[in-house]
Amino acid sequence: DAGVIQSPRHEVTEMGQEVTLRCKPISGHNSLFWYRQTMMRGLELLIYFNNNVPIDDSGMPEDRFSAKMPNASFSTLKIQPSEPRDSAVYFCASTLSSGTGSRGTGELFFGEGSRLTVL
Amino acid sequence: GDSVTQMEGPVTLSEEAFLTINCTYTATGYPSLFWYVQYPGEGLQLLLKATKADDKGSNKGFEATYRKETTSFHLEKGSVQVSDSAVYFCALTPNQAGTALIFGKGTTLSVSS
Repeated sequence: DAGVIQSPRHEVTEMGQEVTLRCKPISGHNSLFWYRQTMMRGLELLIYFNNNVPIDDSGMPEDRFSAKMPNASFSTLKIQPSEPRDSAVYFCASTLSSGTGSRGTGELFFGEGSRLTVL
Repeated sequence: GDSVTQMEGPVTLSEEAFLTINCTYTATGYPSLFWYVQYPGEGLQLLLKATKADDKGSNKGFEATYRKETTSFHLEKGSVQVSDSAVYFCALTPNQAGTALIFGKGTTLSVSS
């Protein structure tokens, strides 16, 4: 079975450019999460969706970041304009949740991540 | 708010040594607790979990017991292998709807032969 698929795996761009990261969750999962991982701050939750609806975006650093989930099988995280401090590994994860929460089994399935370098 | 605190690494051990990685949490109510592992170049994957006090999660020789009295969920393994070298994350999900997993900062384990 296919896991969570993220693209691109690696992205190198220059400051000021727009960056779009993509995620395809596991088929049948109804919750999707975007995390950012850096050495300094560890793993931070940026935003998560339940049934394609954003539930909590309080972790989105600023207005330069936006995320969408137009359907159950696709999500994007966009940074515009990008800055060097955005350099990180961005992970997408999905799970099957019950009700309006993210509890379910608690097991998140992670993609392999998108490593972003902003010069 | 809810949070997870892990011992800082890196932890460096020889093969067959005993491993403990400490994890404590702060949460209202009764969270579920998890350990995730991240191998180099990969995403995180669930290692074990416990959903209520005194539960013991176990997998691949790793164990952790949910201790409500000490708000802890320490990860242990009796004899580590080189293949256990990875980053280990303690996490919790609060016992309320509309919330996501909260992760600790991770502990890097390096095992040498």
